[in-house]
Amino acid sequence: DVKVTQSSRYLVKRTGEKVFLECVQDMDHENMFWYRQDPGLGLRLIYFSYDVKMKEKGDIPEGYSVSREKKERFSLILESASTNQTSMYLCASSLQGGNEQFFGPGTRLTVL
Amino acid sequence: AQSVTQPDIHITVSEGASLELRCNYSYGATPYLFWYVQSPGQGLQLLLKYFSGDTLVQGIKGFEAEFKRSQSSFNLRKPSVHWSDAAEYFCAVVGSGGGADGLTFGKGTHLIIQP
Repeated sequence: DVKVTQSSRYLVKRTGEKVFLECVQDMDHENMFWYRQDPGLGLRLIYFSYDVKMKEKGDIPEGYSVSREKKERFSLILESASTNQTSMYLCASSLQGGNEQFFGPGTRLTVL
Repeated sequence: AQSVTQPDIHITVSEGASLELRCNYSYGATPYLFWYVQSPGQGLQLLLKYFSGDTLVQGIKGFEAEFKRSQSSFNLRKPSVHWSDAAEYFCAVVGSGGGADGLTFGKGTHLIIQP
């Protein structure tokens, strides 16, 4: 079975801190994705990557950056956390474009 | 741009009753369609998917969905719900062009099961 793991289930940070959210998948998937989930808004795509060192902006990239140095790992970075980035963050991976995505358990981030 | 509409924010169903969750999509070409379920505090689990072929697809946990191109719909159904089906359900679409595109999700339908 595909396994997507995220480094933390819950995280509390202060405004202005630099925040790293880590995601690792163990099935050699090419594509990896970061979404945020907010009540009433569903899931929205922040960034995705289709290869090592490649990244593409999603629908809401402002305030975020990403890093993919190894195929199995995709990091989401909040350069200077703000309270409006309090959310649930979900990582996903897929074999190739158009195929199903496998999701991690999510990280609930609170920015105070 | 592609979009997904789930018209029902909340649905309440009695245990043992049938269920239908609605999903309408907007996409210019042939879409790939998905239904995911999210239990409280959990990530998303894939229920079923439609890529091509038979428009009635079977999924896990007794769910099925029917793709209707003429109505741009992909409604999820279950003949008899169980209390464990209480969760958030998301419909999603992605292009079939083969690019590494993210999914576009609906805003979700919260399913409540009455005893």
